Amino acid sequence: KQEVTQIPAALSVPEGENLVLNCSFTDSAIYNLQWFRQDPGKGLTSLLLIQSSQREQTSGRLNASLDKSSGRSTLYIAASQPGDSATYLCAVNPMDSSYKLIFGSGTRLLVRP
Amino acid sequence: SAVISQKPSRDICQRGTSLTIQCQVDSQVTMMFWYRQQPGQSLTLIATANQGSEATYESGFVIDKFPISRPNLTFSTLTVSNMSPEDSSIYLCSVDQGTYNEQFFGPGTRLTVL
Repeated sequence: KQEVTQIPAALSVPEGENLVLNCSFTDSAIYNLQWFRQDPGKGLTSLLLIQSSQREQTSGRLNASLDKSSGRSTLYIAASQPGDSATYLCAVNPMDSSYKLIFGSGTRLLVRP
Repeated sequence: SAVISQKPSRDICQRGTSLTIQCQVDSQVTMMFWYRQQPGQSLTLIATANQGSEATYESGFVIDKFPISRPNLTFSTLTVSNMSPEDSSIYLCSVDQGTYNEQFFGPGTRLTVL
């Protein structure tokens, strides 16, 4: 059974710092992996999708990497800003169920001005 | 990417009543998904709604409790029936689009059951 873990559960950093959020999954048979952002009480915003054949994806100050063999993904946020404060969720799309997403529990990020 | 809206955005309901949540997409999609996010928890898939067929429910979720309709390729409803306080959650619909099944989510419906 696929399980997704995110570490740390919460993170507080000063503005301007570069940071890394971690995601690990137990079964490497995945179709893709997505990183989402969720603001309090709101829906999810898709940040990056990495296909299983890719190693990384970049969007602006965000860079996501994928090491499928070791079951790990990282989300790198450069030059963090207070507006980056949110919960970041990773989710894997298992190979045996190409539509279902298995979510991690999220990392709650606070960027202090 | 798809633009998804949900109604209502939030509601407070009494125990034993039912609430129907609507999800509207701005383009035709084959599959729509309903997720639940309990307080302080991550998302769990409730069911997949395909147009023209019955919804497919995940383990732990049943049609009598969460009936779903999918009348066309841009719309779906989820009903939370005979509600109890344990049903207090955010309910989100999503769709997948594109070659690589990227999923997009609606803004969610925050439900509180008293």
